[in-house]
Amino acid sequence: AQKVTQAQTEISVVEKEDVTLDCVYETRDTTYYLFWYKQPPSGELVFLIRRNSFDEQNEISGRYSWNFQKSTSSFNFTITASQVVDSAVYFCALRDSNYQLIWGAGTKLIIKP
Amino acid sequence: EPEVTQTPSHQVTQMGQEVILRCVPISNHLYFYWYRQILGQKVEFLVSFYNNEISEKSEIFDDQFSVERPDGSNFTLKIRSTKLEDSAMYFCASSVEYYGYTFGSGTRLTVV
Repeated sequence: AQKVTQAQTEISVVEKEDVTLDCVYETRDTTYYLFWYKQPPSGELVFLIRRNSFDEQNEISGRYSWNFQKSTSSFNFTITASQVVDSAVYFCALRDSNYQLIWGAGTKLIIKP
Repeated sequence: EPEVTQTPSHQVTQMGQEVILRCVPISNHLYFYWYRQILGQKVEFLVSFYNNEISEKSEIFDDQFSVERPDGSNFTLKIRSTKLEDSAMYFCASSVEYYGYTFGSGTRLTVV
C-alpha cells in the first residue's frame, strides 16, 4: 500500500536558520513521482517540485533544496536561511501507478522574526 | 502562466442542499481531479477524470458525489445532499501528462 509520512507536525525556527522537513514514503511500484507543495495561510496549494523515481539527483532552487534517497525511501526538503514568508504548511505527496496523489499529513513551519 | 480557476471561492449551504463546485481546467489538459481538505487535515483524493469518464475514485466519493464535464471547458463536482462533514476546502486540479498537476485555489464549502 502507498503511504507518505511526515513525522514532524510542527517546526518553529528563528529567521535565517536552516530547516529540514522530512518525508518518508512507501510504495511497491518501481516507477513513481514525489512532490512537495506549500500551503500558505491563504489556503492555496503551491507546487514546489516533482521528482521521478529514476532521478535521484538532488535539486537546488534558490534557498530550497531536496534530498531524494531511494535507499531510505525519503524525500527531504531543506530551506536555507529561512524567512518569515516561508511560514506555511508543507505537504509531501506520492503518485505511483494510480491516478491519485497520496498526501502526507503536512508539516506546519513557523518562522519567527 | 495558465491557471486552473475555481468558483466560487467560498460557498455556504444548508445541510441537505445540493451544491455544485465549478472548475475551469487549463485548456490543453487531459486529466482532471478533485481533492478535498477538511480544515487542519491532510489533502484527500476524491476522483480523477479522463476521456469523459471517471478513471479512479476514492471511498469518499460515494453516491452523493458526481462529476461532469458538461461543455468541454468546465469540470464540476456535485454533492447531492450535503452533510455537515462535507465542510472542507475542495481543490480542482488538471494535468496534461500522467504525473503533473496544476491546482486551483480551492472552494471553501461550509455546510450549516
